[in-house]
Amino acid sequence: GAVVSQHPSRVICKSGTSVKIECRSLDFQATTMFWYRQFPKQSLMLMATSNEGSKATYEQGVEKDKFLINHASLTLSTLTVTSAHPEDSSFYICSAAEGDPSNEQFFGPGTRLTVL
Amino acid sequence: AQSVTQLDSQVPVFEEAPVELRCNYSSSVSVYLFWYVQYPNQGLQLLLKYLSGSTLVKGINGFEAEFNKSQTSFHLRKPSVHISDTAEYFCAVSGSYNQGGKLIFGQGTELSVKP
Repeated sequence: GAVVSQHPSRVICKSGTSVKIECRSLDFQATTMFWYRQFPKQSLMLMATSNEGSKATYEQGVEKDKFLINHASLTLSTLTVTSAHPEDSSFYICSAAEGDPSNEQFFGPGTRLTVL
Repeated sequence: AQSVTQLDSQVPVFEEAPVELRCNYSSSVSVYLFWYVQYPNQGLQLLLKYLSGSTLVKGINGFEAEFNKSQTSFHLRKPSVHISDTAEYFCAVSGSYNQGGKLIFGQGTELSVKP
């Protein structure tokens, strides 16, 4: 089956630093990748949709300058949380779809970000 | 706009008992419906999906769901649960046309199976 990996699985950083999270599709070409954020005991909220080679589309209320998304290849998308603050602490999950973005999304295992 | 409501935040149940996790949706367009399971500190795994055709959908791990258009529901059921089914379950919806694959998730239901 289709596998999506995320790295790192956990990261702890100091307030004001930037953190990069990688999302990789291991056995298929992900033309579309999605980034979600999940607070404890809450649902997943879509942050942005990225298509390979083009700018990401951000959901309303998500700061594009704070959450930088790059989808440089068909197997890799990165999310950089810039100048992280404690309120950015969350579980970040990516998903990837092959071909049409409405095709099934395969989810990564998530990255737990803790900002001190 | 689309939305999903999961009516129960927590469902405790004894092992081998049947369970139903409720999901209602609202949408002005045709939809695709999904159920995902999330184990602690992990990503989501697709249990089953409804795209079209038969309203009774069978998924993995013995789960099934029924699409009811008149009641705008997509409840998840399992006739006999196991301890290993303890997890968070999410219902999700996406528009079937030109929605760019966006998934809208419900609030989640925590299924706790007790021995």
